[in-house]
Amino acid sequence: AQSVTQLGSHVSVSEGALVLLRCNYSSSVPPYLFWYVQYPNQGLQLLLKYTSAATLVKGINGFEAEFKKSETSFHLTKPSAHMSDAAEYFCAVSNSGNTPLVFGKGTRLSVIA
Amino acid sequence: KAGVTQTPRYLIKTRGQQVTLSCSPISGHRSVSWYQQTPGQGLQFLFEYFSETQRNKGNFPGRFSGRQFSNSRSEMNVSTLELGDSALYLCASSLGTPSSGANVLTFGAGSRLTVL
Repeated sequence: AQSVTQLGSHVSVSEGALVLLRCNYSSSVPPYLFWYVQYPNQGLQLLLKYTSAATLVKGINGFEAEFKKSETSFHLTKPSAHMSDAAEYFCAVSNSGNTPLVFGKGTRLSVIA
Repeated sequence: KAGVTQTPRYLIKTRGQQVTLSCSPISGHRSVSWYQQTPGQGLQFLFEYFSETQRNKGNFPGRFSGRQFSNSRSEMNVSTLELGDSALYLCASSLGTPSSGANVLTFGAGSRLTVL
């Protein structure tokens, strides 16, 4: 069964600083990987997804993630944090075996002015 | 294009009562999934429906049930409510079939249930 580990339940960065949110996955087959963002009192919104094409995936709002099979990682980055990036971020994994999307516990990102 | 609509957005129940939550997927989406979100457990999968059939079920007691109608709208029901059922219940719809792991889920804003 697949699983996801997000390192750090809370990350705090200064405005303009690099954002790095860590995600490691476990899957017995090549995975599909996703990052979702949740703003307060809202549902989840897709940031980006990896589906075995390019290993560097670009998403919305300047975010990108790199799939590293050797490290079983799919970390999310953004070069320069904005105040509007403050939210909770979820990494998720799925495979093609008719199994549901499995989410990590989430990382809350705070951006300090 | 309308998004995923969940009703009600907020509700308060007491222990022992039952609750029904509704989800209208994006037009054309035939797959609907439900997740329970709590601070301690995060997002936990409840069930997934496709073409009125339950395709997957998470590890929840039988008090949690759901169904999907011919127009793809879905409902979930929780009977004999417990304090621990307090959570945000999220519905998501997708265009593809459950066997495609690349499905992108589009989430509604959720129904926040408080059990007193």
